Amino acid sequence: GAVVSQHPSRVICKSGTSVKIECRSLDFQATTMFWYRQFPKQSLMLMATSNEGSKATYEQGVEKDKFLINHASLTLSTLTVTSAHPEDSSFYICSAPEDRALQTEAFFGQGTRLTVV
Amino acid sequence: QKEVEQDPGPLSVPEGAIVSLNCTYSNSAFQYFMWYRQYSRKGPELLMYTYSSGNKEDGRFTAQVDKSSKYISLFIRDSQPSDSATYLCAMSDGTGRRALTFGSGTRLQVQP
Repeated sequence: GAVVSQHPSRVICKSGTSVKIECRSLDFQATTMFWYRQFPKQSLMLMATSNEGSKATYEQGVEKDKFLINHASLTLSTLTVTSAHPEDSSFYICSAPEDRALQTEAFFGQGTRLTVV
Repeated sequence: QKEVEQDPGPLSVPEGAIVSLNCTYSNSAFQYFMWYRQYSRKGPELLMYTYSSGNKEDGRFTAQVDKSSKYISLFIRDSQPSDSATYLCAMSDGTGRRALTFGSGTRLQVQP
């Protein structure tokens, strides 16, 4: 099946620093990618929709200046957490849809566990 | 009220048992229904994909959708310890290009 690669899988950073997370579709092109955040024992919550060649669309309550999204190519989207704080510690997951024969399926990256100390 | 409700569990069953996992939802526009399996600290893995009402079977897994009741189920037959994971229901009102709305996940433990 389709593969979405997310890197890094785990990162620890100091408060106030920025962290970049990459999401790549390895064997298909993704004009759209989704970024989710998952807190412990909670569901995946959509943060933003990343669109190749245009601005990302953010969900209500998500600060676009804090969570910078860049979708510069058809296979790569990046999420940068700027000026990270401990409350940003979470599991971040990207997803890319791929068209199959009769349906469109969403494939997920492995996730990035961010810890801000 | 959440758009998608799912019992968080944990659900503990003996090996070989039939497992029933369920979600209810409130948005009648949802047409595409999925079940994902998520192991600890990993991304979700698609298990079943269903459009509209009906049943779909794949090996030991059966997905059921009842749109009239806004209720979906996943059945796992002959459960194995390797099935121990968190199971997330997800749904969409359009194609997969739209973002998914997830349930909170049910943690399943299959005891050997």
